Amino acid sequence: SQQGEEDPQALSIQEGENATMNCSYKTSINNLQWYRQNSGRGLVHLILIRSNEREKHSGRLRVTLDTSKKSSSLLITASRAADTASYFCATDESRVAQKLVFGQGTRLTINP
Amino acid sequence: EAGVAQSPRYKIIEKRQSVAFWCNPISGHATLYWYQQILGQGPKLLIQFQNNGVVDDSQLPKDRFSAERLKGVDSTLKIQPAKLEDSAVYLCASSPGTLGTQYFGPGTRLLVL
Repeated sequence: SQQGEEDPQALSIQEGENATMNCSYKTSINNLQWYRQNSGRGLVHLILIRSNEREKHSGRLRVTLDTSKKSSSLLITASRAADTASYFCATDESRVAQKLVFGQGTRLTINP
Repeated sequence: EAGVAQSPRYKIIEKRQSVAFWCNPISGHATLYWYQQILGQGPKLLIQFQNNGVVDDSQLPKDRFSAERLKGVDSTLKIQPAKLEDSAVYLCASSPGTLGTQYFGPGTRLLVL
């Protein structure tokens, strides 16, 4: 079963603009992770935010987590053509060993 | 550092045939995962190994899917017999332990006709 729901399913913006993707989930989590997948490739880990954290930055990426609303957002600032990809949130709800449950993803297209 | 290796990259078979996928994780990574990703969806965990033991196979269709990691290093995933709905990308991932970042291979794209 897939816990996360990403919104929007697809997003198209101009190069240089900011892109925001949202993820909602249903159960308590240990952490939430964001991954990127370029067409025909495997997933690449972007950032992990723990359940006791509210915001995290990595380069042009900013992730927020609101456990009371069971939601997270990924902001990509100053977008580039190379950011064109699918972005997935994944929640880890296991207490023993990590078990990631992925959402359906947001397809991001950056237009030059 | 070499990444997660998978082969083959593409496979086309007819329904009811058998198929096997191979994965070699990053050296030293104890945990290995197999995911199924159907077109337009996120990956779904099929099975998780810690060294050569199974940690979670609750979503593995055991009547047709099997996986092994005999020496705690590389792993094979087999489907026998294949169904049309098995058409998907099969992703292998590894991590140093049971927590934290997972590193994904390029995947094997399976088409069942």
